[in-house]
Amino acid sequence: VQLVQSGAEVKMPGSSVKVSCRASGVTFNSYTISWVRQAPGQGLEWIGRIIPAFGTANYAQKFNDRVSITADESSSTAYMELSSLRSEDTAIYYCAPGAYGQSKYWGPGTRVTVSS
Amino acid sequence: DIVMTQSPDSLAVSLGERATINCKSSQSLLQSSNNKNYLAWYQQKPGQTPKLLIYWASTRESGVPDRFIGGGSGTDFTLTISSLQAEDVAVYYCQQYFRTGTFGQGTKLEIK
Repeated sequence: VQLVQSGAEVKMPGSSVKVSCRASGVTFNSYTISWVRQAPGQGLEWIGRIIPAFGTANYAQKFNDRVSITADESSSTAYMELSSLRSEDTAIYYCAPGAYGQSKYWGPGTRVTVSS
Repeated sequence: DIVMTQSPDSLAVSLGERATINCKSSQSLLQSSNNKNYLAWYQQKPGQTPKLLIYWASTRESGVPDRFIGGGSGTDFTLTISSLQAEDVAVYYCQQYFRTGTFGQGTKLEIK
């Protein structure tokens, strides 16, 4: 299984970021794709997940109004877009597929820095 | 969202001794239709991505040593390392995937 995430981003406060995660070696539609972030020196924080086979996503309440998770089955790629960025959103963002919502596989992470 | 609370925040155990980490959820994670607890445990070593150890509260992921034991049901769960090895030094997280996917705050495990 290989997960390739998009490259590091530096964003201004108030802007948006879209992180991608392309999967290979795994049946994309068979999995739930979760997105998890980790701020510097902090713990894991669950953002949301999507089941590509159904196209349905659900989100942590904390992010519900400013996150969108989508998936493109044709390219086995999932996307996480976070808007209204603030400094507290500086973190490494991981895609993490798994069978039922647990995360068997983890991408390498995408570093997002929010700074003016 | 379901709140997950781990205890202790940090733990120091001697090599070869038992280490136990607790995880409590604010709601039951037991799905009555399939009798499964939607609880997973992860290990994260410094500079590495997390690794899935246990899912369904007690099912060991393939390749995980049998000294890692998951237990509990409903709202109270434990991760036990039966005989601590040096390579087990890490931060351990529980996660519920019953509704959304909340993580506990993590427990840092060190060698005494």
